[in-house]
Amino acid sequence: QQQVKQSPQSLIVQKGGISIINCAYENTAFDYFPWYQQFPGKGPALLIAIRPDVSEKKEGRFTISFNKSAKQFSLHIMDSQPGDSATYFCAARGRETSGSRLTFGEGTQLTVNP
Amino acid sequence: KAGVTQTPRYLIKTRGQQVTLSCSPISGHRSVSWYQQTPGQGLQFLFEYFSETQRNKGNFPGRFSGRQFSNSRSEMNVSTLELGDSALYLCASSLTGYEQFFGPGTRLTVL
Repeated sequence: QQQVKQSPQSLIVQKGGISIINCAYENTAFDYFPWYQQFPGKGPALLIAIRPDVSEKKEGRFTISFNKSAKQFSLHIMDSQPGDSATYFCAARGRETSGSRLTFGEGTQLTVNP
Repeated sequence: KAGVTQTPRYLIKTRGQQVTLSCSPISGHRSVSWYQQTPGQGLQFLFEYFSETQRNKGNFPGRFSGRQFSNSRSEMNVSTLELGDSALYLCASSLTGYEQFFGPGTRLTVL
């Protein structure tokens, strides 16, 4: 069964600190790993994504680290700000499907204290 | 470019009724996917439509159905509503099959 396991469930960080959220997957057929940010009352917003042929991708304060052999990937938020307080979801797309089906992790509620 | 729009934003229905939700994708996007979001089960894939054809289907009962029109707009229908169908229903559109852009969702409450 295709699953993506996400941890921690909740995370509290001080302003300026580094937030780290981890995900692990089982299916080696996944070929695309996005991260989404969701604020209350809103739909998930695509934050950053990576393909398995790359070990790291950085966009501004957000970095994805990808470990293909360990089947793990993580999101690092540098210089975390109170405005980053939201729920973050990792996800994965299966290569064997021709479509856009995503399998999501359980989500991490991030709180950045001022 | 306008984002994904979903209507209505909120719905209250009673058990046994049926409901139809609508989604308009980003202009030019031909893939539309539907997801159910609940506190207990998280985000779960319902189905995906591409060029008016269902391309993928998640593990939901047949009460959940959908369709896509020639202009790529999509509707999903839930018949014989149950209390457990209360959720945020999200629509996402994609141009490439990889990047998916979500709408604000329709909050369905079943009483």
